Amino acid sequence: DGGITQSPKYLFRKEGQNVTLSCEQNLNHDAMYWYRQDPGQGLRLIYYSQIVNDFQKGDIAEGYSVSREKKESFPLTVTSAQKNPTAFYLCASRSDNEGYHQPQHFGDGTRLSIL
Amino acid sequence: SQQGEEDPQALSIQEGENATMNCSYKTSINNLQWYRQNSGRGLVHLILIRSNEREKHSGRLRVTLDTSKKSSSLLITASRAADTASYFCATDARATSGTYKYIFGTGTRLKVLA
Repeated sequence: DGGITQSPKYLFRKEGQNVTLSCEQNLNHDAMYWYRQDPGQGLRLIYYSQIVNDFQKGDIAEGYSVSREKKESFPLTVTSAQKNPTAFYLCASRSDNEGYHQPQHFGDGTRLSIL
Repeated sequence: SQQGEEDPQALSIQEGENATMNCSYKTSINNLQWYRQNSGRGLVHLILIRSNEREKHSGRLRVTLDTSKKSSSLLITASRAADTASYFCATDARATSGTYKYIFGTGTRLKVLA
């Protein structure tokens, strides 16, 4: 089955630690996105990438970093500089085959908490 | 920055009733999309309406778009308990790099009582 896989489902971070959230897709989509969702809130864009080896900052990129070395993978690192990392993190991908009229496909998220 | 704002923030209805939720946005768009999110899960795409369309149907879903008012509505007819979820609108925005990013609304939490 084609889809997006996020792992782990739950993640705990100690003070001063960097943690990496995995996002893999087998949909052959070019564009990939990372969002943060706080309780009862909408999604806020952290980073997005249109092609391999290229990515752009979203609205709340501070304290986060990404890489896009392969088309199917877009890992997100939450660094120790992110002082309030507790949130639900969602990864999404989108096809560009028909221009911009394409929906995003989402993974099932990673819930990150501070220990 | 949040472009989409949805109302109501929460809605509770009886099974079989219709549910209407609204979305407003600020800038011009190519399309507007509606998504559903069950508790603790990712978002699922429901319907996409292009800026040159005024109404679109998909099963029990009806979406309208008024670009002059920069608003959209999602109607779920004959609601079921399984429709209980949060619903989000999202609008596209072309970034300076030429890629497309999406701005999500704050969501409407729908509860359908059996």
